[in-house]
Amino acid sequence: DTAVSQTPKYLVTQMGNDKSIKCEQNLGHDTMYWYKQDSKKFLKIMFSYNNKELIINETVPNRFSPKSPDKAHLNLHINSLELGDSAVYFCASSPYRASYSNQPQHFGDGTRLSIL
Amino acid sequence: KQEVTQIPAALSVPEGENLVLNCSFTDSAIYNLQWFRQDPGKGLTSLLLIQSSQREQTSGRLNASLDKSSGRSTLYIAASQPGDSATYLCAAGLAAGNKLTFGGGTRVLVKP
Repeated sequence: DTAVSQTPKYLVTQMGNDKSIKCEQNLGHDTMYWYKQDSKKFLKIMFSYNNKELIINETVPNRFSPKSPDKAHLNLHINSLELGDSAVYFCASSPYRASYSNQPQHFGDGTRLSIL
Repeated sequence: KQEVTQIPAALSVPEGENLVLNCSFTDSAIYNLQWFRQDPGKGLTSLLLIQSSQREQTSGRLNASLDKSSGRSTLYIAASQPGDSATYLCAAGLAAGNKLTFGGGTRVLVKP
């Protein structure tokens, strides 16, 4: 039973298109995240939502818009795709507590986005 | 701004040797320090999480230490096996939103 699942696993599309990546977690967690891993394998956080509320929004172009219909889902929509958007996008989730110091994040397998 | 560095970037050892992976961070005001494993084409698997009040955590052959004052964490893997071959990532956890700042990873190859 997959804990954090992302779809699609691979996404190949042309520059200028709009695409969405979906993420779902069945762990009962309150907090979900989107990370970007570039070609040099550096992982950077993009967004974090707690119970459908945005709590982290790093310096990300506004072409990227996260949407959380409920606390088990966090989707990522990307408008006007550019070559530099090619990367692996990871979704993650964790419980939300006043002191989350002992709660690791659980990651999905990633979505490999390639822009032609 | 928190920066996390991992040295070396790659490591190759014969089976049975102990592995030592280093992680350093610039801001000691962390909530926790986490170690993850990433296999090719896969997501990250959490290995160990050390809270800021702790000095180390152990799980089986894995032991991770944390020295906040010097901004360092070390992951030890005893008696390495070929199945330990993967990329190991450390991440410093900040309070706000459980935000993680990742290092660049250490790619490990254990030769049979």
